Amino acid sequence: EIVLTQSPGSLSLSPGERATLSCRASQSVSSSHLAWYQQKPGQAPRLLIYGASNRATGIPDRFSGSGSGTDFTLTISRLEPEDFAVYYCQQYGSSSWTFGQGTKVEIK
Amino acid sequence: EVQLVESGGNLVQPGRSLRLSCAASGFNFDDYAMHWVRQAPGKGLEWVSGISWNSGHIAYADSVKGRFTISRENAKNSLYLQMNSLTSEDTALYYCARGDQKWLPYNWFDPWGQGTLVTVSS
Repeated sequence: EIVLTQSPGSLSLSPGERATLSCRASQSVSSSHLAWYQQKPGQAPRLLIYGASNRATGIPDRFSGSGSGTDFTLTISRLEPEDFAVYYCQQYGSSSWTFGQGTKVEIK
Repeated sequence: EVQLVESGGNLVQPGRSLRLSCAASGFNFDDYAMHWVRQAPGKGLEWVSGISWNSGHIAYADSVKGRFTISRENAKNSLYLQMNSLTSEDTALYYCARGDQKWLPYNWFDPWGQGTLVTVSS
């Protein structure tokens, strides 16, 4: 099973600042089968990024994903008030799905 | 509008069973694999089970293998999760989520339902 480790566990930033979230895999994630989700309190997760770098439908371009192999990054270029949430990475290998433990982005 | 609505969550005693349902609308249900994902109170996300469009390919997390059974009824646009031998470790909000294609491998999940709460306690 591929274990995903997200860092930092939490991030305290101000609106307008840049957020950089990391997701490291215990082994190589095949063909960049990595996704990112956003979850706000009391809400279901929402897909942001799939295939490591492809934005899902309707996701603003301030969200971007990058990386390959074992190291992946989600970047939010300029934080908007609605972006403060928990973010999870997920790998979707061959009939195996695991999530990172999440990074909470908080308002400073 | 694509919609997934879970139901069936409840308070149940350890060792008992429960069946969850997920009603899908707004898309061709039999064009997609489907999944269950759970989230224990205050914790992260854990994938539970997935099923291909025709039920020909099914997968389970090790934590539920042998106790949970996923199924679907395409004619009713419905996904199910039969949960047996429940323990306190199964207490969680259970989400159903659509895979991005018919077959199981390499699915990302979009969208997700709002979840149904399962509490296992005596």
